Amino acid sequence: DIVMTQTPLSSPVTLGQPASISCRSSQSLVHSDGNTYLSWLQQRPGQPPRLLIYKISNRFSGVPDRFSGSGAGTDFTLKISRVEAEDVGVYYCMQATQFPPLFGQGTKLEIK
Amino acid sequence: QLQLQESGPGLVKPSETLSLTCTVSGGSISSSSYYWGWIRQPPGKGLEWIGSIYYSGSTYYNPSLKSRVTISVDTSKNQFSLKLSSVTAADTAVYYCARRPVVTAAFDIWGQGTMVTVSS
Repeated sequence: DIVMTQTPLSSPVTLGQPASISCRSSQSLVHSDGNTYLSWLQQRPGQPPRLLIYKISNRFSGVPDRFSGSGAGTDFTLKISRVEAEDVGVYYCMQATQFPPLFGQGTKLEIK
Repeated sequence: QLQLQESGPGLVKPSETLSLTCTVSGGSISSSSYYWGWIRQPPGKGLEWIGSIYYSGSTYYNPSLKSRVTISVDTSKNQFSLKLSSVTAADTAVYYCARRPVVTAAFDIWGQGTMVTVSS
């Protein structure tokens, strides 16, 4: 079975500074159709998850451009260029290339 | 604007069946462009995909839950439902319904979630 590993599990960040979260899969996430179905979601405290990024690097509608995704194969990164107070929460990567869909364990972003 | 809303009992007894419904508003569930899924989150823990359904009725279940899960769709009511049998305390969680476009395979629209506690 595929394993999704996020690092760090907790990330204290200063407001206005960048943040980066890594997601690594135990197997390649390149689908036979050529796409890589790796997405990133944000979950603010007490809220449902919210889609930020799909297929590695595509920002979902309404997502600020300070969020960006990159990577390929088994290694992926979510970057926030300048952290704002509203970015506090838990971030999850999710793979849907292989069955079953699987979420990473989550990375908690907090303000220093 | 598409919205999803979960509904169902907040308390279920051990060994009984958990039943939840997701009502889709602002759009049709009968679209070939989307799957409709259930995801759960135990208190203080991460997200677990339970299963998904296509408007045609085709279903896909997490192997870890497959023997206890049934997901169905009612296109006339624009709803899809989850049944989880033989529940235990380990099934206590917030249960979310969500939409997943075929082309992106990412859960893009989520319901607010409903807390289900398994307890006698």
